[in-house]
Amino acid sequence: RKEVEQDPGPFNVPEGATVAFNCTYSNSASQSFFWYRQDCRKEPKLLMSVYSSGNEDGRFTAQLNRASQYISLLIRDSKLSDSATYLCVVNWWDDMRFGAGTRLTVKP
Amino acid sequence: DTAVSQTPKYLVTQMGNDKSIKCEQNLGHDTMYWYKQDSKKFLKIMFSYNNKELIINETVPNRFSPKSPDKAHLNLHINSLELGDSAVYFCASSQDISGSGELFFGEGSRLTVL
Repeated sequence: RKEVEQDPGPFNVPEGATVAFNCTYSNSASQSFFWYRQDCRKEPKLLMSVYSSGNEDGRFTAQLNRASQYISLLIRDSKLSDSATYLCVVNWWDDMRFGAGTRLTVKP
Repeated sequence: DTAVSQTPKYLVTQMGNDKSIKCEQNLGHDTMYWYKQDSKKFLKIMFSYNNKELIINETVPNRFSPKSPDKAHLNLHINSLELGDSAVYFCASSQDISGSGELFFGEGSRLTVL
């Protein structure tokens, strides 16, 4: 089983759609979880942390299920500017491990 | 001022050469990292340093040698470059080693080995 595994994608959705990404992790001792966003040919940047109780930031909602060892990201009312690769990140003892990323393209 | 800066941004070189990539962070962070992103876009940890000390050394060929002269700098030297070394190398930093904080990335150094 891969350390951090994500939906393979790509996801192609129309503007205004709701899209959800899932991510599973294998290290049950992981304590910190994040979603990063990476635009084409750019560096990854933090989108949001994921808290145990779930959290929302505008159109973005992140959820954590420790029992099943997965996290999710929901994007509502997709915008063209949401087109990017979304990376699931899980802390791994004393560093962070990245999923392979899910590519999202939002079309007019 | 750029928080994490790495140079050069682009590097094209021949197989067998030796090259270095430099990284500096002005955030006052204790921990710095090198990640490699290959053609399939998978971002993989190579090394991490905490206060100049090596913490993580993943399964990376010993042709790759990191050096941290102080906690604000982490350089990567690569000997005898191979075609498979072609990738984007990202430097990153975080407040501490706990893995609970945000990673701040440099813009990446795109290495092409011919």
